[in-house]
Amino acid sequence: VQLQESGPGLVKPSETLSVTCSVTGGSVSGYYWAWIRQTPGKGLEWIDFIYSGGHNPSPASRGNGRAIVSVDTSKNQISLRLSSVTAADTAVYYCAKLEYTFSFRALQIWGQGTAVAVS
Amino acid sequence: DIQMTQSPSSVSASVGDRVTITCRASQPIRGWLAWYQQRPGKVPRLLINAASSLQSGVPSRFSGSGSETDFTLTIDSLQAEDFATYFCQQTNNFPYTFGQGTKVEI
Repeated sequence: VQLQESGPGLVKPSETLSVTCSVTGGSVSGYYWAWIRQTPGKGLEWIDFIYSGGHNPSPASRGNGRAIVSVDTSKNQISLRLSSVTAADTAVYYCAKLEYTFSFRALQIWGQGTAVAVS
Repeated sequence: DIQMTQSPSSVSASVGDRVTITCRASQPIRGWLAWYQQRPGKVPRLLINAASSLQSGVPSRFSGSGSETDFTLTIDSLQAEDFATYFCQQTNNFPYTFGQGTKVEI
């Protein structure tokens, strides 16, 4: 499985940042997916996660304010929308596969990341 | 949110040295701690899951231990390719927060 993020590169303050993660070599269905970002000043920051497939998954995200994570199974993609961005949202955005089982909880596969600047 | 504190922030070491990095959680997280390695300009790579379970393909000179609030990552006989930044992450409670990183420098 490989993940590849794509994004706008530059977003204006107060607008909505949209980044997409394309999954190849496997299906998005039946797995957990997460978005993380990295800045020089704040290091790695967890944004949110989603489970693709099934009803009432456990765990399930309770949402994260400005961030909305969604899955498009027809395109095998995961998306992140972050509203009302400011300069503090300038970061490299990563998607990752969250392996979540009885004995395993970690970000096992990461995309290459996409850099987004807010200016 | 659970705060994760790593120490030291950076460490200078030589090839062959033993390096120990600690990670402390602001509240008990049982054994749900992961360690990642990030080489310069590269993507984070999972080294250890559940505090001590080495990922497939990770050299055995890496080891992890700990539970509840105190965890360690040890690198025995440091190699040139180990010079990187290491992050811990708690995976007990969402949001799965990260430590600030420890840079292992030559």
